[in-house]
Amino acid sequence: DTEVTQTPKHLVMGMTNKKSLKCEQHMGHRAMYWYKQKAKKPPELMFVYSYEKLSINESVPSRFSPECPNSSLLNLHLHALQPEDSALYLCASSQVYTPYGYTFGSGTRLTVV
Amino acid sequence: EDKVVQSPLSLVVHEGDTVTLNCSYEVTNFRSLLWYKQEKKAPTFLFMLTSSGIEKKSGRLSSILDKKELSSILNITATQTGDSAIYLCAVTTYSGAGSYQLTFGKGTKLSVIP
Repeated sequence: DTEVTQTPKHLVMGMTNKKSLKCEQHMGHRAMYWYKQKAKKPPELMFVYSYEKLSINESVPSRFSPECPNSSLLNLHLHALQPEDSALYLCASSQVYTPYGYTFGSGTRLTVV
Repeated sequence: EDKVVQSPLSLVVHEGDTVTLNCSYEVTNFRSLLWYKQEKKAPTFLFMLTSSGIEKKSGRLSSILDKKELSSILNITATQTGDSAIYLCAVTTYSGAGSYQLTFGKGTKLSVIP
């Protein structure tokens, strides 16, 4: 299995909703990442997990809450989002201590209404 | 602060033309440079270039890494309308604890007209 699977593919949520994005990989990668891509912009790093521990938070607002419950799964919990948070959310995974094998999922397109 | 700059930002060519897309970078802890193609969904991986693999080719696409000039080019020969997309350049840097982060350029939007 050489894929990163993200669910759901599309999500529409209201500003008072709580929802979660899910990311799963079975490549044995121990580093996992969340990127955010707004329309007509490149992806930007949000969070990095290494060995299931949060190692980088790029000053992301607390309404985004990541979680890495095991080495295969990465979640992004969303609460009280704003319309400007509408974007494509990309999960990625990689091997550790080598830049090879960096793999992106197909993304979740989030719309906040 | 790590920086990746792509040029041109947009390009319109006719089918059959050859195009060259540019990417330059200024980063600490460089590990690799990647090229992606993006249409209306997630980026699709094209090439990875490292200090030990500075030239890659796949069909009509090829890429070279110039370690001295801290830059890379992506060439597409005999362009087709299906090549129309945004081409993203990203540089991998080591971010600690075994992990790597990608810093992306703004992309080059390529439009191929029949």
